[in-house]
Amino acid sequence: QQPVQSPQAVILREGEDAVINCSSSKALYSVHWYRQKHGEAPVFLMILLKGGEQKGHEKISASFNEKKQQSSLYLTASQLSYSGTYFCGTSVTGNQFYFGTGTSLTVIP
Amino acid sequence: DTAVSQTPKYLVTQMGNDKSIKCEQNLGHDTMYWYKQDSKKFLKIMFSYNNKELIINETVPNRFSPKSPDKAHLNLHINSLELGDSAVYFCASSQTRLETQYFGPGTRLLVL
Repeated sequence: QQPVQSPQAVILREGEDAVINCSSSKALYSVHWYRQKHGEAPVFLMILLKGGEQKGHEKISASFNEKKQQSSLYLTASQLSYSGTYFCGTSVTGNQFYFGTGTSLTVIP
Repeated sequence: DTAVSQTPKYLVTQMGNDKSIKCEQNLGHDTMYWYKQDSKKFLKIMFSYNNKELIINETVPNRFSPKSPDKAHLNLHINSLELGDSAVYFCASSQTRLETQYFGPGTRLLVL
């Protein structure tokens, strides 16, 4: 039930772009994205609901393709503060929620 | 001012002991969760509790039991602790099951 994220890890230089993918084997009702910095709790980034909408704020956006049961997180012009582990979270029904396998992102100067 | 709080922050104990972790949220949310994050950083949901309805992850051993005295509190009791229980345990809350989850700071449990 746990969604699979790719890549597992990525290293970027400041200013570069990255895409993190989240795939589920089951039809999705919603997708959440969270970022966790080392030693801290996960922090919410955004939620996408059924309908294939794309959301974003500042230079981080996401898309949700319900037919493919996939979501992608787009980070543009990355900053040092973007470093952390990114998790997608998926809801198949209203009851069950699962976090993805995580993607470690490191931004270097 | 803290939205979701957990106590204790660190917990070191011996195998076989029983321990509890407390969680409180002051956001007025209806749903609360317990997650376990292991050394590989996987975030695994253990329980969610919504208006007295408990949803249990079937892979959680029955040594783990959540207790919710009221909507603002969801405590986690662990019996007969094992080495494999060592992890960071996060409490979280959300208005409904489908909305943003706010996490507590985590409890770092080490079983010796």
